[in-house]
Amino acid sequence: NAGVTQTPKFRVLKTGQSMTLLCAQDMNHEYMYWYRQDPGMGLRLIHYSVGEGTTAKGEVPDGYNVSRLKKQNFLLGLESAAPSQTSVYFCASSPGFYISSYNSPLHFGNGTRLTVT
Amino acid sequence: GDSVTQMEGPVTLSEEAFLTINCTYTATGYPSLFWYVQYPGEGLQLLLKATKADDKGSNKGFEATYRKETTSFHLEKGSVQVSDSAVYFCALSDSKFNFGNEKLTFGTGTRLTIIP
Repeated sequence: NAGVTQTPKFRVLKTGQSMTLLCAQDMNHEYMYWYRQDPGMGLRLIHYSVGEGTTAKGEVPDGYNVSRLKKQNFLLGLESAAPSQTSVYFCASSPGFYISSYNSPLHFGNGTRLTVT
Repeated sequence: GDSVTQMEGPVTLSEEAFLTINCTYTATGYPSLFWYVQYPGEGLQLLLKATKADDKGSNKGFEATYRKETTSFHLEKGSVQVSDSAVYFCALSDSKFNFGNEKLTFGTGTRLTIIP
């Protein structure tokens, strides 16, 4: 019972390099989200998707791009990494519209720790 | 916009002590309120939730009551254990009537350490 799986778990990049973080969920959830977690800032929403083929901006979208070509996958891309993007990235999924009506509104992956030097 | 303000941490308590972690919120509409817990090296897990005023959420000995008059959702536990050591996040959802766009807004998290 995998739930939400994120790869890789750790990554170190040099400034200007690019990379893609992969999130996969096996629960047939419609909604998927990318958050970043920084000390003293909590979790901030980067981008989200309400279904296959759709994406939308969250609170802090600059410097990131996303794609949802398949319902089960949500990719987060950094085209030109900057030290300010050093963070822990979490992917989450939810069943649908009214997330607060579900017993478990968001299912989180275990995170990807990214360091940009 | 919506926001959540949490008690600053870290919090260190002895085993069997009483725990309170304060959470207050600012929101329009009719938010639902949540507590999430993050154990070391893991993602966040839902601990409890409340979807309307005066509701009490409870799970694993933790409780929180949705107080609309004080815009608060404080987390409490009567007797903490070492295994409760984790980071706790308070969160709210924007109005469930914002069709198709309901998202969670998180507080900054409170790190709790329980010592034997």
